Amino acid sequence: SQQGEEDPQALSIQEGENATMNCSYKTSINNLQWYRQNSGRGLVHLILIRSNEREKHSGRLRVTLDTSKKSSSLLITASRAADTASYFCATGGAGSYQLTFGKGTKLSVIP
Amino acid sequence: DAGVTQSPTHLIKTRGQQVTLRCSPKSGHDTVSWYQQALGQGPQFIFQYYEEEERQRGNFPDRFSGHQFPNYSSELNVNALLLGDSALYLCASSFWATKGGNQPQHFGDGTRLSIL
Repeated sequence: SQQGEEDPQALSIQEGENATMNCSYKTSINNLQWYRQNSGRGLVHLILIRSNEREKHSGRLRVTLDTSKKSSSLLITASRAADTASYFCATGGAGSYQLTFGKGTKLSVIP
Repeated sequence: DAGVTQSPTHLIKTRGQQVTLRCSPKSGHDTVSWYQQALGQGPQFIFQYYEEEERQRGNFPDRFSGHQFPNYSSELNVNALLLGDSALYLCASSFWATKGGNQPQHFGDGTRLSIL
């Protein structure tokens, strides 16, 4: 079963704009991770935020986590055509290696 | 530094057959997890292997089984294939010592399995 739900399911923006994707989850977590998947390829890890953190940055990526609302957001600033991909949030529970993924947001960046 | 490698990349089988997929983890990793990703969906956890034993299992029937070898590589076996088993099968590797998910998992590009 899916733990998280990403919103929106699909997002289309112009190059240079910012893209925001949201993720909601159901149970308590140890950490939340974001992954990118290009069509037909494997998943690439982008960023991990622990349950005791509220915000994290990595290059053009900014992730926030609100454990009281069981939600997270991923912001990609100054998007590029190469950012076109599906983005998934995944939650990790305490004492577990299992990642539980949402259904993903399909991002299209138009040059 | 070799990443996670999976073979074969594509496979076509018919209902009722059996299939074996293979995975070599990233150099230095000792734990392998398998995920099934149906078209348009997120990956779903099948099971995880460490020290040649199944340590965790997701909500998948016994038709799905696995194995881990002393060199940490792993196989996923699926028996009595159903049409619904058509999916991308992903292997991910990590370190057991940092249990708790406090590090990212490294994924291979997967095996695309089609059942006719």
